[in-house]
Amino acid sequence: DGGITQSPKYLFRKEGQNVTLSCEQNLNHDAMYWYRQDPGQGLRLIYYSQIVNDFQKGDIAEGYSVSREKKESFPLTVTSAQKNPTAFYLCASSTQVPVSYGYTFGSGTRLTVV
Amino acid sequence: QKEVEQNSGPLSVPEGAIASLNCTYSDRGSQSFFWYRQYSGKSPELIMSIYSNGDKEDGRFTAQLNKASQYVSLLIRDSQPSDSATYLCAVLMNSGYSTLTFGKGTMLLVSP
Repeated sequence: DGGITQSPKYLFRKEGQNVTLSCEQNLNHDAMYWYRQDPGQGLRLIYYSQIVNDFQKGDIAEGYSVSREKKESFPLTVTSAQKNPTAFYLCASSTQVPVSYGYTFGSGTRLTVV
Repeated sequence: QKEVEQNSGPLSVPEGAIASLNCTYSDRGSQSFFWYRQYSGKSPELIMSIYSNGDKEDGRFTAQLNKASQYVSLLIRDSQPSDSATYLCAVLMNSGYSTLTFGKGTMLLVSP
């Protein structure tokens, strides 16, 4: 079945540590996105990519980095520069740009700083 | 700043009633509108999309769009306890981004 796979489901980060969240899709979608969700908050855009080897900053890109070396994969690295990384991270993809048909979401990664 | 506004709720309705969820947006040039349902601890799932003024029905769900008033709503008929979730409104704004802007969501509680 086609879909978006995020891993791991839960991730614990120590202070000062970089961690990478995986996002893989087999939907043949061109565009991919990373959002962050905090309790009681909406989804805030971190980064997005419309095509391989190209990506754009979203509203809250500071402390995060991404790569898009393959159409299927869009990993997100949470760096030590991100001071408050505890959140629910959602990866999404869409068939085309502009996003006329909405996103398909992965199941999310819950990141906790310990 | 481009915004999407929703009442946070919770909106409480009895089983079998109609639940009405509302959303306003700031960008008059917005093109496409989506409603997502998010169960606690889960990721959002798309339940409705609407692109032109008027009503769009899909089963128990009806989306309503009024671009002049910059207002989109979701009606859920014959509400069931399984409809209890947070409903997110998402808008494709005419701001140069090709991304969706989300509201903070409205929590719906359907009591048996």
